[in-house]
Parts: sequence; structure tokens; C-alpha cells
Amino acid sequence: NAGVTQTPKFQVLKTGQSMTLQCAQDMNHEYMSWYRQDPGMGLRLIHYSVGAGITDQGEVPNGYNVSRSTTEDFPLRLLSAAPSQTSVYFCASSRSGRNTEAFFGQGTRLTVV
Amino acid sequence: AQSVAQPEDQVNVAEGNPLTVKCTYSVSGNPYLFWYVQYPNRGLQFLLKYITGDNLVKGSYGFEAEFNKSQTSFHLKKPSALVSDSALYFCAVRAVNQAGTALIFGKGTTLSVSS
Repeated sequence: NAGVTQTPKFQVLKTGQSMTLQCAQDMNHEYMSWYRQDPGMGLRLIHYSVGAGITDQGEVPNGYNVSRSTTEDFPLRLLSAAPSQTSVYFCASSRSGRNTEAFFGQGTRLTVV
Repeated sequence: AQSVAQPEDQVNVAEGNPLTVKCTYSVSGNPYLFWYVQYPNRGLQFLLKYITGDNLVKGSYGFEAEFNKSQTSFHLKKPSALVSDSALYFCAVRAVNQAGTALIFGKGTTLSVSS
């Protein structure tokens, strides 16, 4: 039972480089989200999706793109990495409905130098 | 706008003593509230949730939470703390936005249980 799988676990980028953080879930969840975690800031929502083909912006979307072509996958793209994007990134998924809990991946620790 | 506040950055408690981690919320409509725990270098794990009904919610690992509508609070509690409970705890509320899907998190409270 894999749950939510994120790859890679660690990544170092140079300023200006682009990359994609992968997220896949095998629970057939409709909802998926990306968060970033910074010390003292908690988790902040970057982008979210309520189903294949539907995405929307969260609290801190600038510098990130997402797409949702399948129910299972929700990749997060950094277009031109900046040091301010150094963070730990978490992907989460849940069934539809406000009363459902989210399941989280193990996180990707990204450092931009 | 929906929001969650965790007023304490850190809570220290001795093993065997009761613990409380505080959370207050602001939400339009009925609140859907959650507690999560994060151990070092791990993802978040779901502990419990309040949807409706009984104000005392029981969850994993002996944790419970008390919902208080008049005080807009959802405090996490445990009668007897364990050293292994030491971790980062997050309170969250389901947002009511266009899609009605995202979880909004507090900044987290570090719980330290000493032996």
C-alpha cells in the first residue's frame, strides 16, 4: 500500500534551473495539493486540484506550475528556481468532501543555491 | 477568510503528565478541524478530526481533542504524555473556497516530553 509517493527525496538546484517534483497516489483520491514547509511558517498551500484537468492556486503560487492530467499524478514544476524556494515540499491527497483527512507524502527537501 | 492559530511555538511537559496543545480557528460556516503530527524528517500523519456531534473527539495514540464552538477552539489533549509523543503538531481547518478542498494549517507547535 504505497499511499502518496514523492520523488525525489532530496534535490539541489542552481538559481535559474527548472525541475519537476513528482507526486503520485494510488488511493484514487480526487483531491491533491502541494504545500511548502518553512521553519516557523507551518505549511503553506501552493496549488491544489479537485480532479483531473482542474487546478487552482493556493496561498503562495508564484514561481510554480501544476497540471493534473490523471487522477494519480500531480507534478509541481519550478520554472526558474530561486533561493527563496529552498524549502521542504509536501504533496497530499484526499477523497472529495470537506470531512475527509488528507494523506501526505514523505516530502522533498529542495535547496536552491 | 479561514485561518488557524496555534499560540504556542513550544510546549514542554514531563512524561506521565497531561498535555494540551492549543488551537483556535476562524472559519465561515461549520468548521471541519484536524490534528496532524510530524516526526523528524517525515511527512504529516493524521491524528483525529472533528466533523460534527460529540465535542470530545478521540484519535490515534491516545490523543483526543475538545471542540469548543463558543471559544472557537480545538485543543489537543492526552492524559499521560510519553517521551515518544515528542514531535511537531499541526492544527488544520478545511477551507471554504471555490473548490472547498484545501487544508489550512497553523504554524505548528513543538511538543517536548522529558523523562
